[in-house]
Amino acid sequence: ILNVEQSPQSLHVQEGDSTNFTCSFPSSNFYALHWYRWETAKSPEALFVMTLNGDEKKKGRISATLNTKEGYSYLYIKGSQPEDSATYLCALKSGGSNYKLTFGKGTLLTVNP
Amino acid sequence: SAVISQKPSRDICQRGTSLTIQCQVDSQVTMMFWYRQQPGQSLTLIATANQGSEATYESGFVIDKFPISRPNLTFSTLTVSNMSPEDSSIYLCSVVRGVDREQFFGPGTRLTVL
Repeated sequence: ILNVEQSPQSLHVQEGDSTNFTCSFPSSNFYALHWYRWETAKSPEALFVMTLNGDEKKKGRISATLNTKEGYSYLYIKGSQPEDSATYLCALKSGGSNYKLTFGKGTLLTVNP
Repeated sequence: SAVISQKPSRDICQRGTSLTIQCQVDSQVTMMFWYRQQPGQSLTLIATANQGSEATYESGFVIDKFPISRPNLTFSTLTVSNMSPEDSSIYLCSVVRGVDREQFFGPGTRLTVL
């Protein structure tokens, strides 16, 4: 059973603060690491798909890095806004022919105005 | 991306009853999945919905409890049978699409079993 851990479990920041969270995963048989943003009552929104060690991806104020050798990924949000409030999920795809994603429990971010 | 809709968006059901959740995708997809998230837990894969054949279930999930239909490449249903309070979860359907094989999710069905 794969174990994907996310920390912290929840986070409260003030508008304008920058923040980051961690996703840890087993490094063996790594294929890809997905980040999603999930607002209540909406579909989880795909943020990044990361495959290469040392990958760094950016989408507006959000960026992510990947270290497959030590088994972690960081998600950064620069200048947090209230609309960034959501649960951020990471999911591991291991090598193999199926497309199963193993998710962490998520980090719940609340940005106070 | 993919436009995925689910019905119902939420429901409150009595113990022992069954609920069928529908998932509709805006275009044909090969890979379609059903996930659930119990309170405080991770999103967990229930099964892969196969068009024209029986679904493939993950460990801990069985067809009698979660029968799945996939009559065509744009539609699937998941039934939660003989429900108990432990089945209270958010149920999501998901598809794989694109060169990067990204997974896209529906908005979920929030189920509460009393």
